[in-house]
Amino acid sequence: ETGVTQTPRHLVMGMTNKKSLKCEQHLGHNAMYWYKQSAKKPLELMFVYSLEERVENNSVPSRFSPECPNSSHLFLHLHTLQPEDSALYLCASSADRGSTGELFFGEGSRLTVL
Amino acid sequence: GQSLEQPSEVTAVEGAIVQINCTYQTSGFYGLSWYQQHDGGAPTFLSYNGLDGLEETGRFSSFLSRSDSYGYLLLQELQMKDSASYFCAVRDVNRDDKIIFGKGTRLHILP
Repeated sequence: ETGVTQTPRHLVMGMTNKKSLKCEQHLGHNAMYWYKQSAKKPLELMFVYSLEERVENNSVPSRFSPECPNSSHLFLHLHTLQPEDSALYLCASSADRGSTGELFFGEGSRLTVL
Repeated sequence: GQSLEQPSEVTAVEGAIVQINCTYQTSGFYGLSWYQQHDGGAPTFLSYNGLDGLEETGRFSSFLSRSDSYGYLLLQELQMKDSASYFCAVRDVNRDDKIIFGKGTRLHILP
């Protein structure tokens, strides 16, 4: 139990569907992140929120839309995805964006796009 | 650009010692971290090196040499439960403190 909870754990969707991934952290942290993990590739940072404001967008396609309503919750809205978007999507949090580097990860949402 | 290099796989015997190396290239370096990830699980933080030298936490130690842009994770008295993937990660102060991860090293432990 890392204090970061992601739902759903598994999601299968068609390319025309709209779905959302949810992340909640119970650690009192101020920064939250979305990472994409694909086989044989490094963890790719997608979005960073610090104190509910987005500070990083690594040129992620617009079919991925993040939302951070408060410092404890983070969403990733998905629409018109492609099969190559199939991956494990990991949410993480840290005390603040400039902390010593310790990220607390959720167990991820395994996404399959058909 | 930024890159981290680590071996894709390492195999060792239960009870032995194994070292996983990591070399990095970043525009602005702040510190080197290590994470462990079991199959189907979340990456979990193991250690952080902000300064040169060795940091020890139980059976795990991590080393950093900033002049060589190099670090390693040392696992002693290997146990079967240590079979996992290990990722090195750097914090790049020139990229808004973004944490960049390596591709990971899959550690196989033989009985």
